[in-house]
Amino acid sequence: GENVEQHPSTLSVQEGDSAVIKCTYSDSASNYFPWYKQELGKGPQLIIDIRSNVGEKKDQRIAVTLNKTAKHFSLHITETQPEDSAVYFCAASRGTGGFKTIFGAGTRLFVKA
Amino acid sequence: DTGVSQNPRHKITKRGQNVTFRCDPISEHNRLYWYRQTLGQGPEFLTYFQNEAQLEKSRLLSDRFSAERPKGSFSTLEIQRTEQGDSAMYLCASSITLRGQKETQYFGPGTRLLVL
Repeated sequence: GENVEQHPSTLSVQEGDSAVIKCTYSDSASNYFPWYKQELGKGPQLIIDIRSNVGEKKDQRIAVTLNKTAKHFSLHITETQPEDSAVYFCAASRGTGGFKTIFGAGTRLFVKA
Repeated sequence: DTGVSQNPRHKITKRGQNVTFRCDPISEHNRLYWYRQTLGQGPEFLTYFQNEAQLEKSRLLSDRFSAERPKGSFSTLEIQRTEQGDSAMYLCASSITLRGQKETQYFGPGTRLLVL
C-alpha cells in the first residue's frame, strides 16, 4: 500500500541553527504534500504545503522542496527558536481527489536555547 | 472559536464498554475525516465523509467501529466492546473542496482514549 517514510525520527539543534526533515512517498499519483506541526496534547496544525507543480515554496523561516521524480520532499526551518520544538509530520495525498492523506511517522524536533 | 472541536478530550473506559466521540467540523466544510494516532506515530486514516455520505473506510476500521454524519455537519465515532488495543488519540479533521483548489485538512485537538 501507499506509505510515507520520514527521517530523522528525532532531531536536536541549537537555537539559531537550521533543521531539515526529509520524506519519501510511494504513491506516484500523490500531488499534494502538507506539513503539520503537533504540540503536546494538541492536534496537528498545518504549517506549510506544496503542490506537485511547484518545486519549492517558502514562508518566512520555513521552506519546502519537492523532487517529484525521486518522490522526495523536505522541510527546512532556518533560524530555529525554542518555540519550534514540536513533532513535525509530512504527508502525501492525491489532493482534491477525495483520497486519504498518508502521514509519515513524525520527527521530534528539540531546539536548545 | 471557529476551528474543529472534539468531545470529550479524554475518555477512560473499561475493556468491553462502548464509547462515542463527537466531532464538530469547521462550518461549511463538506468533508470530515477520522484518524487514529498512537504514541510515536503519525495519524492513520480511518474513514471520511463528504457531506453525510461515508465514502471510504480503512481496513483499520473493524466491525466494532462505526461512524456517522447524519446531517452533514457533526460526526460521531463509536467503538463497541472496546479493547486495550483501541487506546489511542482519535483525531477529526475537516476540509472544504473547491474546484481546482488544494484540499487542506484542519485538525481538531483529538480525543484521547484509554481502555483499562
